[in-house]
Amino acid sequence: GENVEQHPSTLSVQEGDSAVIKCTYSDSASNYFPWYKQELGKGPQLIIDIRSNVGEKKDQRIAVTLNKTAKHFSLHITETQPEDSAVYFCAASVNQFYFGTGTSLTVIP
Amino acid sequence: KAGVTQTPRYLIKTRGQQVTLSCSPISGHRSVSWYQQTPGQGLQFLFEYFSETQRNKGNFPGRFSGRQFSNSRSEMNVSTLELGDSALYLCASSLEQGAAGNTIYFGEGSWLTVV
Repeated sequence: GENVEQHPSTLSVQEGDSAVIKCTYSDSASNYFPWYKQELGKGPQLIIDIRSNVGEKKDQRIAVTLNKTAKHFSLHITETQPEDSAVYFCAASVNQFYFGTGTSLTVIP
Repeated sequence: KAGVTQTPRYLIKTRGQQVTLSCSPISGHRSVSWYQQTPGQGLQFLFEYFSETQRNKGNFPGRFSGRQFSNSRSEMNVSTLELGDSALYLCASSLEQGAAGNTIYFGEGSWLTVV
């Protein structure tokens, strides 16, 4: 089956700096790559997604890039704010969703 | 539009007991999938239901089962609970069946503690 690896597992940035989280996947048939943000005590919330026929997608301070050849995709958060502090999960879908192990992002005021 | 609703939010059970968790999907969504989230294993797919039929199943023992009703609401059941079943159980709904290109939306989860 699909294998999704996510790095780093923890990330601390100063408020206003950028944060980048990277994921790799193994199954070239995967065609949909969502990112979720999970705050303490809550369920994962979809923040952005990208499909395999698109190389980049942006939504305000959040962007995702996809490199199908290298089988990796990344989440970019610019101008980080304290409320961005959470655990972020990437996922790849083929016949089911496979999730990365999560990145705990801390934005230091 | 209401999101995915899961009940109960928190529960404590004893080893050997069974538990039933409930999920109401977003209105209009016909697919419901269940995930187990633990610190060690992350988010693991349990199963997916669409039109009252199990369409896909993850790698979990038969103690984990589920069903879906005609109104798309779903329940999952875990029998003969083990300590290792302690986890956050997440329900997710989507418009259509399958993961290929379908966006899934999660509920807040049901925290299960087995003692």
